[in-house]
Amino acid sequence: NAGVTQTPKFRILKIGQSMTLQCTQDMNHNYMYWYRQDPGMGLKLIYYSVGAGITDKGEVPNGYNVSRSTTEDFPLRLELAAPSQTSVYFCASSYGQGGNTIYFGEGSWLTVV
Amino acid sequence: QQQVKQSPQSLIVQKGGISIINCAYENTAFDYFPWYQQFPGKGPALLIAIRPDVSEKKEGRFTISFNKSAKQFSLHIMDSQPGDSATYFCAASRRTGANNLFFGTGTRLTVIP
Repeated sequence: NAGVTQTPKFRILKIGQSMTLQCTQDMNHNYMYWYRQDPGMGLKLIYYSVGAGITDKGEVPNGYNVSRSTTEDFPLRLELAAPSQTSVYFCASSYGQGGNTIYFGEGSWLTVV
Repeated sequence: QQQVKQSPQSLIVQKGGISIINCAYENTAFDYFPWYQQFPGKGPALLIAIRPDVSEKKEGRFTISFNKSAKQFSLHIMDSQPGDSATYFCAASRRTGANNLFFGTGTRLTVIP
């Protein structure tokens, strides 16, 4: 009963490096999301996807890219990492439109030094 | 700009007491108001949710009170237990569209035995 699985759990990046956070879900959800969580700020939406091949920006998309080639996978790409991207990243998924439960992964802790 | 404002930032309650967390929103287009519970090192998980056609929803020890005219809603935890110690996030979204949740900044609840 995996749900939403994120890898890696922890990562330290140097300024200017790039990396991809992986996310996969096994619930056949059409909607997927990436949020970042900063202390005292709640969760902010980075990007979301309403289905394979369709992605759109959320509140804080700068410095990130996404793709959705399959229903199951929604990787988040960080290009040219900056200290401001130090955060906890959560991938999530849901079935259908607004008002349906969003299920979160366990998070990926990223530190940029 | 914070779409959903949450208070208090932290809360300490004695075992058996009532925990109350408050949220306010501005966007009258929001029509779905969930509460998420997050334990350390884990992703948020849906606790309880309400739609604006009712003023209260109760599930076990957890109750949401909703005041549409004031654009406020609150979470009440009755008979609070040490196992309730977690961070609680209120959120809001529209039921049409991409199901994008706007989160409050979170309340860290500590229940003292």
